[in-house]
Amino acid sequence: AQKVTQAQTEISVVEKEDVTLDCVYETRDTTYYLFWYKQPPSGELVFLIRRNSFDEQNEISGRYSWNFQKSTSSFNFTITASQVVDSAVYFCALSVHGSGNTGKLIFGQGTTLQVKP
Amino acid sequence: DGGITQSPKYLFRKEGQNVTLSCEQNLNHDAMYWYRQDPGQGLRLIYYSQIVNDFQKGDIAEGYSVSREKKESFPLTVTSAQKNPTAFYLCASSKTGASYEQYFGPGTRLTVT
Repeated sequence: AQKVTQAQTEISVVEKEDVTLDCVYETRDTTYYLFWYKQPPSGELVFLIRRNSFDEQNEISGRYSWNFQKSTSSFNFTITASQVVDSAVYFCALSVHGSGNTGKLIFGQGTTLQVKP
Repeated sequence: DGGITQSPKYLFRKEGQNVTLSCEQNLNHDAMYWYRQDPGQGLRLIYYSQIVNDFQKGDIAEGYSVSREKKESFPLTVTSAQKNPTAFYLCASSKTGASYEQYFGPGTRLTVT
């Protein structure tokens, strides 16, 4: 069975602080994909990044960076110099190539990030 | 503009009534999904469809039904059999396969009293 755990329910930081959102996943599949989504107060989920299980390179996109470590089954997300507009719920999700390659996403519980001015 | 539309944004119904939530996409995606989100919870999969005229149950399909008669449309019916229907419902679409990201609509917030 697959599972995604986001242990941090809520995080509160002051603007310009760096913040890391943790994501731990479980799967026995060797081919899988990890995703991060942002859900602003409007409710719509916004895709941020996808990483496949064969690519452990870290990725940086502006103030956002992601650290994928298969050894610890983690896919953590760091926001550098946080801004008020970063306030949202962030979801980590997993899909696996096995079981019919259906594209079903398994979501973590989400981390609510509040960035105070 | 390409995207996913869900209507209405807010929906109110009396207990015992069936209600249908609309989801339309113009991204030419084969796969479509319905998720339910409860306060403080992650998203749970209700139904998904990888191709027209075919769909599969997700993790919490009881009390829901869907149809996929057109590629662009994947309506969800919340039946009176659903014990706790009040929730935020999100529709998504993607290319077929585990490697593709899903694109989400704005959601419908359903309140049943």
